[in-house]
Amino acid sequence: QKEVEQNSGPLSVPEGAIASLNCTYSDRGSQSFFWYRQYSGKSPELIMFIYSNGDKEDGRFTAQLNKASQYVSLLIRDSQPSDSATYLCAVHTTNFGNEKLTFGTGTRLTIIP
Amino acid sequence: NAGVTQTPKFQVLKTGQSMTLQCAQDMNHNSMYWYRQDPGMGLRLIYYSASEGTTDKGEVPNGYNVSRLNKREFSLRLESAAPSQTSVYFCASSELLNWDTRAGGYTFGSGTRLTVV
Repeated sequence: QKEVEQNSGPLSVPEGAIASLNCTYSDRGSQSFFWYRQYSGKSPELIMFIYSNGDKEDGRFTAQLNKASQYVSLLIRDSQPSDSATYLCAVHTTNFGNEKLTFGTGTRLTIIP
Repeated sequence: NAGVTQTPKFQVLKTGQSMTLQCAQDMNHNSMYWYRQDPGMGLRLIYYSASEGTTDKGEVPNGYNVSRLNKREFSLRLESAAPSQTSVYFCASSELLNWDTRAGGYTFGSGTRLTVV
């Protein structure tokens, strides 16, 4: 079982609709969870992080975390063509002061005008 | 506000050649990382340095060496390049997660696209 799993997509969503991206993780000791956006040929950029169960909202983005189910998701409301990118889920653990961030393989999202 | 700077941006090597990828950060972060990214494989950790003077192997360290030259700089060396090392390499830095502000996350450099022929 991979440590962090994502559906690779592509996920196609009409402009203005809600895009829903999902991620599961295997390490129950994981503490924080991050969503990165990566445009083609560019480096990943952090868009959200969450550490408590429930929802966290930032503008059009909502991150949802369910530690019991080991599941984290990202919702993008009012999807725009500029949201077309690969979204990477990352799970953070700390072991004796050493940080580890493990990435999923990413979900490719395409917003259809 | 440069953040994380990687050089070079592109490189073509012949099999067996050596090279060093350079990375520098100006955010005073303790931790630095080298990842490689391949299609369908996501980002895989090669080596990391939790603090100046320490380095540790990640998921895919074979064929690579690293040096944490000082707090700012973390280099990745390929001693004898192989076609399997054709990839995009990213350097990243982070501060230990701040449990008061819950701020965290990695800052990535712009990447080095390496081709080994």
